[in-house]
Amino acid sequence: KAGVTQTPRYLIKTRGQQVTLSCSPISGHRSVSWYQQTPGQGLQFLFEYFSETQRNKGNFPGRFSGRQFSNSRSEMNVSTLELGDSALYLCASSTGDRNTGELFFGEGSRLTVL
Amino acid sequence: SQQGEEDPQALSIQEGENATMNCSYKTSINNLQWYRQNSGRGLVHLILIRSNEREKHSGRLRVTLDTSKKSSSLLITASRAADTASYFCATDASRGSTLGRLYFGRGTQLTVWP
Repeated sequence: KAGVTQTPRYLIKTRGQQVTLSCSPISGHRSVSWYQQTPGQGLQFLFEYFSETQRNKGNFPGRFSGRQFSNSRSEMNVSTLELGDSALYLCASSTGDRNTGELFFGEGSRLTVL
Repeated sequence: SQQGEEDPQALSIQEGENATMNCSYKTSINNLQWYRQNSGRGLVHLILIRSNEREKHSGRLRVTLDTSKKSSSLLITASRAADTASYFCATDASRGSTLGRLYFGRGTQLTVWP
């Protein structure tokens, strides 16, 4: 069974630009979560999608958005990039049970904002 | 914040020694998980322990959970150089909207010297 696939793995943007990151979950998984990892803040929850609906959202500004498609693939978008958005963005998939069980993470997309 | 905190922040040992990492958290949970992350890579799930369990084993891993003290420990026996990585504890929340959301600690950086 293929794992969680994130693209692109690395990208460099400049302040003010926008970026779209993609995540393909494990086949059969309907839940996709996104996390931001930085040295200063650690792992921070962004949002979670299940069957194309956002079920949970972390404390990030509205510049951070996401969506999920009918095939469970998910994208997240960051608009008007700031230097502080430089981070490793991790996507995780799961079955989506009520209580959060094991999450399967992708390798991440490392975003550098110049 | 429900974020867990690992202790120590860094641990350096020789191959063959045991490594113990601790985690404390703040609120009631359904389960606690431990993840491993190699530098710049995605997280890999190691073990999940439910709130009604006190101890769990998986290969060279032993996890304990004390819900009265809101703490957990991860023991890696007979460490190998390949165990060098960051180790994170993650909790869900037993109340409120938890879907897809885990609260991660800052991690323990384990270095195992050959």
